[in-house]
Amino acid sequence: DTEVTQTPKHLVMGMTNKKSLKCEQHMGHRAMYWYKQKAKKPPELMFVYSYEKLSINESVPSRFSPECPNSSLLNLHLHALQPEDSALYLCASSQENGYGYTFGSGTRLTVV
Amino acid sequence: GQSLEQPSEVTAVEGAIVQINCTYQTSGFYGLSWYQQHDGGAPTFLSYNALDGLEETGRFSSFLSRSDSYGYLLLQELQMKDSASYFCAVRDGDSSYKLIFGSGTRLLVRP
Repeated sequence: DTEVTQTPKHLVMGMTNKKSLKCEQHMGHRAMYWYKQKAKKPPELMFVYSYEKLSINESVPSRFSPECPNSSLLNLHLHALQPEDSALYLCASSQENGYGYTFGSGTRLTVV
Repeated sequence: GQSLEQPSEVTAVEGAIVQINCTYQTSGFYGLSWYQQHDGGAPTFLSYNALDGLEETGRFSSFLSRSDSYGYLLLQELQMKDSASYFCAVRDGDSSYKLIFGSGTRLLVRP
């Protein structure tokens, strides 16, 4: 299996809602990532998990809360988001050396 | 810190060859990667150069010159499906896990 699977593909949520994005990989990669991408912009790193431990938090607001239940799963919990948080949220995984990321197809998030 | 520069847009004709350049500034260098992203899709890894020279993978080739802090992606026999955004990327000098992307080059292939 050489895929990273993300669910849901689309999500519309209100500013008072709580929702979660899910990501799963079965490639044996020990690094997993959350990226945020706005239209016509490059992906921006949010979080990195290495061996199931949070190793990088790019000063992301606390309304985004990552979780890594095991080496194959990565969640992003969302609470009290703002309309400007609307974006494509990408999950990725890689080998320990950071070479050759595999990205999931993303969750298109709209905050209303 | 790290920064990468690439042209914002390139237009080419089907069947032609196009080169997308990338210049970078990094505090430490661990290789240059290229990713393709179609509209509405996810970035897909294309190639990685750690050493100087040309790497060829089918119609796509990638070149690196570490002394010039420069690389390029060469696409041959262009097809309509090659219309996409192309990002060069380098690893952060302080963390092997942090990938820094260039701003992206939007390639439009015309018939």
